[in-house]
Amino acid sequence: EIVLTQSPATLSLSPGERATLSCRASQSVSSYLAWYQHKPGQAPRLLMYDASNRATGIPPRFSGSGSGTDFTLTISSLEPEDFAVYYCQQLSNWPLTFGQGTKVEIK
Amino acid sequence: QVQLQESGPGLVNPSETLSLTCTVSGGSISSYYWSWIRQPPGKGLEWIGYIFYSGGTNYNPSLKSRVTISVDMSKNQFSLKLSFVTAADTAVYYCARHISAVAAPGLWGQGTLVTVS
Repeated sequence: EIVLTQSPATLSLSPGERATLSCRASQSVSSYLAWYQHKPGQAPRLLMYDASNRATGIPPRFSGSGSGTDFTLTISSLEPEDFAVYYCQQLSNWPLTFGQGTKVEIK
Repeated sequence: QVQLQESGPGLVNPSETLSLTCTVSGGSISSYYWSWIRQPPGKGLEWIGYIFYSGGTNYNPSLKSRVTISVDMSKNQFSLKLSFVTAADTAVYYCARHISAVAAPGLWGQGTLVTVS
């Protein structure tokens, strides 16, 4: 099973700042990586698929990069609604697995 | 707009079978893959398995011996059964839709908490 390690566990930032989240895979997943935003009591929201493609309706302040084993999700300027937990997920090998999440909290 | 809604008992006795249903409204269950994903309290997300609308399935090996996912096209629903549950199966259970077996789910239900106790 592919293990995804996200870092940092928590990111404390202010609105308007840039957020950089990392996801590292235990083996190559090519570009089969997705990112989700998850807020308490809500359904997870797909942000990025295939590492760098924004899902429908996702604003351009969200961007994804990487391939192989190292991936990054960047939020260029944090809006108040962006404070949440972010998960990466690999879709290269079964079983599909998720990272443990990065919490982006208000500083 | 298409919506997914999980339903089922919120409390299940240990060693019994957890049963949940996901109802698809505003669209057809045809031509998509349908998944169950769970999140234990304070932990990360775990993919349980998926079913194609025509009936093909794939289950997480860690749960395969206890899981059955089925689809009822006449009701536009799909279901999860997880047998011999323990406290470790306590989680929020989500249903989700994706366009292929390797596509990220773009549509999720709100989730339902199931407690095993």
